[in-house]
Amino acid sequence: GAVVSQHPSRVICKSGTSVKIECRSLDFQATTMFWYRQFPKQSLMLMATSNEGSKATYEQGVEKDKFLINHASLTLSTLTVTSAHPEDSSFYICSARAQTGFAYGYTFGSGTRLTVV
Amino acid sequence: AQTVTQSQPEMSVQEAETVTLSCTYDTSENNYYLFWYKQPPSRQMILVIRQEAYKQQNATENRFSVNFQKAAKSFSLKISDSQLGDTAMYFCAFMKPAGNMLTFGGGTRLMVKP
Repeated sequence: GAVVSQHPSRVICKSGTSVKIECRSLDFQATTMFWYRQFPKQSLMLMATSNEGSKATYEQGVEKDKFLINHASLTLSTLTVTSAHPEDSSFYICSARAQTGFAYGYTFGSGTRLTVV
Repeated sequence: AQTVTQSQPEMSVQEAETVTLSCTYDTSENNYYLFWYKQPPSRQMILVIRQEAYKQQNATENRFSVNFQKAAKSFSLKISDSQLGDTAMYFCAFMKPAGNMLTFGGGTRLMVKP
């Protein structure tokens, strides 16, 4: 089945530094990937939709200059948290849908726990 | 815009018993897709079951089945013969056919007790 690999699983960084999170589709091509943020005991909130070869679409309230998304190939999307601050600490999850569409549903990465100290 | 509501923040069930998780949604679309996802303590999101709105027959996957009531905009998940490994957060999700994004409900935390 479709597999999405997300790295790193955990990262601790100092306030003011930048962190890059990678999301790879291992056995399928994904023209679109999605980035979610999940606070403890809460649901997944869509941050942005990552489109291969074009600019990402950000949800209202998400700062595009702070959360940089690059989708340079059909199998890789990256989320960079720039100038991270403690309030950016959260669980970030990516997902992708295989090009063949609904039959695969969505596949999720295993998530990245970001802690900014 | 679509909204998805899960009215049960927490539920518990005895092992081997049956439990039903509720989900309602609001949309003006006629065709769409509905999903139930499971998120165990590992935080990995796992697809449990999916339903196409144009299909009247309720989806079933082994011990998991749904009760899809389109007119009532209700999409409940029934877990039969509950197992300890079913302990997890369960999220109901909605997707328009033309759109790509999933809209999630707030989640229900299910605890299966031995």
